[in-house]
Amino acid sequence: GEKVEQHESTLSVREGDSAVINCTYTDTASSYFPWYKQEAGKSLHFVIDIRSNVDRKQSQRLIVLLDKKAKRFSLHITATQPEDSAIYFCAASNNNNNAPRFGAGTKLSVKP
Amino acid sequence: NAGVIQTPRHKVTGKGQEATLWCEPISGHSAVFWYRQTIVQGLEFLTYFRNQAPIDDSGMPKERFSAQMPNQSHSTLKIQSTQPQDSAVYLCASSTTGEVFFGKGTRLTVV
Repeated sequence: GEKVEQHESTLSVREGDSAVINCTYTDTASSYFPWYKQEAGKSLHFVIDIRSNVDRKQSQRLIVLLDKKAKRFSLHITATQPEDSAIYFCAASNNNNNAPRFGAGTKLSVKP
Repeated sequence: NAGVIQTPRHKVTGKGQEATLWCEPISGHSAVFWYRQTIVQGLEFLTYFRNQAPIDDSGMPKERFSAQMPNQSHSTLKIQSTQPQDSAVYLCASSTTGEVFFGKGTRLTVV
């Protein structure tokens, strides 16, 4: 089955800098790659996703890149703000009767 | 839209007792997922239903865990003979296609 590896367990950046979180996956059939944010004491909520028919997607300060050849995808948060501090989870699924499998999470700290 | 509703929010059981966790998915969502979150293991997939039918239970510990979806408005996760290593936050989620919406979770503590 699909296994998703999230490379950074923790990440600390200065406010205004960019943060990059990297993930790899194993199943070549995976075609849908969402990202979720978990703030302290709260559950996960969706932030952005990318499908395998594109290699880049941007939503405001969030950019997702997908490299299907390397089975790698990444979340870039530009102009970070303290409220971006949270745990970020990447996930992968083939969207065909397949539940998303999640990485272990990256704890992002944005310091003022 | 109240989102995915999980009850109870917290549950404490004694070792060897049974625990039943409840989930009410978002109305109209055809897929229901159960995950378990711990600091050590991260977010582990347990099981998945689509249109109430079990699709994938490959993440379920076989002997003591079971899940059901008797109707489209609720799903249950039952853990028999709970053990301390079952202590975790159990998350239920639902979706139609694409974005998955998570409940607030049930924190299970086995003492």
